[in-house]
Amino acid sequence: ETGVTQTPRHLVMGMTNKKSLKCEQHLGHNAMYWYKQSAKKPLELMFVYSLEERVENNSVPSRFSPECPNSSHLFLHLHTLQPEDSALYLCASSQVGLTGEKLFFGSGTQLSVL
Amino acid sequence: AQSVTQLGSHVSVSEGALVLLRCNYSSSVPPYLFWYVQYPNQGLQLLLKYTSAATLVKGINGFEAEFKKSETSFHLTKPSAHMSDAAEYFCAVSGDSGYSTLTFGKGTMLLVSP
Repeated sequence: ETGVTQTPRHLVMGMTNKKSLKCEQHLGHNAMYWYKQSAKKPLELMFVYSLEERVENNSVPSRFSPECPNSSHLFLHLHTLQPEDSALYLCASSQVGLTGEKLFFGSGTQLSVL
Repeated sequence: AQSVTQLGSHVSVSEGALVLLRCNYSSSVPPYLFWYVQYPNQGLQLLLKYTSAATLVKGINGFEAEFKKSETSFHLTKPSAHMSDAAEYFCAVSGDSGYSTLTFGKGTMLLVSP
């Protein structure tokens, strides 16, 4: 158990559905991240929230919408996704201000878009 | 900007044999380097990290990695493979921002045969 909890573990959705992924960290960290892990590709950083402000948005399509209501919770709202969005979505956390500080990852949400 | 290259998408060893997973990096600043492991249906777990304190870094589960600046390498080794080491291994380099924007390699799947 890494202290980062993601729900749900698995999600199947149609292209017209709206769903949300949830992440919660119990480590007292103040930075949270969304990564996308697709087969045969490196992990892709999607969003970074540092001190509850979005500090990075790596050209992610608008059908992905993050929300960070406080330093312990991070959401990824999904709408009108495409089949190529099927992937493992990983949440992570770390402590801001410590360059080189390690990331703590959740177990991920395996998303399938039909 | 940083990048990571992991040589070999799959490495197969026999139980008890030496494990060597290769990682080369490029970075415009002195790097922080990491090895993460991912077991099936789980998130990434930190094995070890290099932060310039020592070139030979020891991690969990008997793994270690050596930082070689002249070769821009950070290869992961373990003297004797165990069946439980079968997993995917990711090398990563940290950016120079205050939060941990890691750039990951594509990963190497380690297969261990009896």
